[in-house]
Amino acid sequence: DTGVSQDPRHKITKRGQNVTFRCDPISEHNRLYWYRQTLGQGPEFLTYFQNEAQLEKSRLLSDRFSAERPKGSFSTLEIQRTEQGDSAMYLCASSYTGTGEGNEKLFFGSGTQLSVL
Amino acid sequence: DQQVKQNSPSLSVQEGRISILNCDYTNSMFDYFLWYKKYPAEGPTFLISISSIKDKNEDGRFTVFLNKSAKHLSLHIVPSQPGDSAVYFCAASAPYSGAGSYQLTFGKGTKLSVIP
Repeated sequence: DTGVSQDPRHKITKRGQNVTFRCDPISEHNRLYWYRQTLGQGPEFLTYFQNEAQLEKSRLLSDRFSAERPKGSFSTLEIQRTEQGDSAMYLCASSYTGTGEGNEKLFFGSGTQLSVL
Repeated sequence: DQQVKQNSPSLSVQEGRISILNCDYTNSMFDYFLWYKKYPAEGPTFLISISSIKDKNEDGRFTVFLNKSAKHLSLHIVPSQPGDSAVYFCAASAPYSGAGSYQLTFGKGTKLSVIP
């Protein structure tokens, strides 16, 4: 178990380009989350998967954003037509719950730092 | 509308002394609270948590206190060490609601500097 892995660690892109990030959760974890953190703020929830099903999206997730988790394993987050306001750290987290009772601890990856020029 | 507030952006403490980080929340539905520690260019690392049925939880040098009536929690670090220097985030969640997500709502963080 090597923890939550995110790739790439850093991404610099030009405005208007598409970018894709990957997240590999802890292997036995059935839940996967994407958060975004900007400078001076705490992480903000973007979207959530239970196994392969995307169950919730934040209003922060505009239609330029899409996330997938095929086969309930790794996940990708794609941003189309990037804007300068998309510059942020994108964090992936995973957790496990067998009973659905909540009180979960989320384990975060190191994040992907996106800079849109 | 910030539901979790950390009103002190920064805190400096001498090594060996107590560090006290504070957090206030407004959503009365929150029933589980967590503290995360974050180093630059790294993701948040879980530190300690507390359920609303308790008022104190201790783990080594770290103790979290919860005052539900005041909607306030605090993290105590005793004794503080230089390696504790990081940004500390308070986070909270409401009860899991069936098919709904389990979201954490984070504060803006407090940067702790422990001076040798």
